[in-house]
Amino acid sequence: AQKVTQAQTEISVVEKEDVTLDCVYETRDTTYYLFWYKQPPSGELVFLIRRNSFDEQNEISGRYSWNFQKSTSSFNFTITASQVVDSAVYFCALRYTGGFKTIFGAGTRLFVKA
Amino acid sequence: EAQVTQNPRYLITVTGKKLTVTCSQNMNHEYMSWYRQDPGLGLRQIYYSMNVEVTDKGDVPEGYKVSRKEKRNFPLILESPSPNQTSLYFCASSLREYNEQFFGPGTRLTVL
Repeated sequence: AQKVTQAQTEISVVEKEDVTLDCVYETRDTTYYLFWYKQPPSGELVFLIRRNSFDEQNEISGRYSWNFQKSTSSFNFTITASQVVDSAVYFCALRYTGGFKTIFGAGTRLFVKA
Repeated sequence: EAQVTQNPRYLITVTGKKLTVTCSQNMNHEYMSWYRQDPGLGLRQIYYSMNVEVTDKGDVPEGYKVSRKEKRNFPLILESPSPNQTSLYFCASSLREYNEQFFGPGTRLTVL
């Protein structure tokens, strides 16, 4: 079965804390794509990162970093020194090849308190 | 400005009254999708299209229809809406199979 699990429904942190959002996926395919999107309180969906299954390099973009581990089927997202503006729902998504079927996780709502 | 537009943004209707939610993109993207977002369930794909006249079912296609007669437009049709289709709907487009999606602003639909 193709599936994305974001086990953390809600996380609450205080500003400047580091926080990691977990994403575990299941797929039979050897080639697939993983994504993270952010949905701030205003409601729009904003793309954060894409990772191909054959590229296990971790990535850092400012305070954001992503850890992709095929061995554990995980694609975790860490925010360093969180800020109030990071408060949002974060979605992890899986797309497999041969079509455009895309599976989203249920999302993790992050609250960052000042 | 590159964008995905959806109309209407808000709609309240009654059971059984056919409706169409329009979606248009101006980025010449090949791929388009419709999703519904419900609390605790994330986004679930309803239908997607890989090109003009090429559409396929996502995970929750029941009760919905789509068409792709032109590259830029991908309307979502509810022939006989029911209350369980009350949801927030997003249209999205993508240049290639492996690219990220650009999302529209969402349409909040209430079926009474």
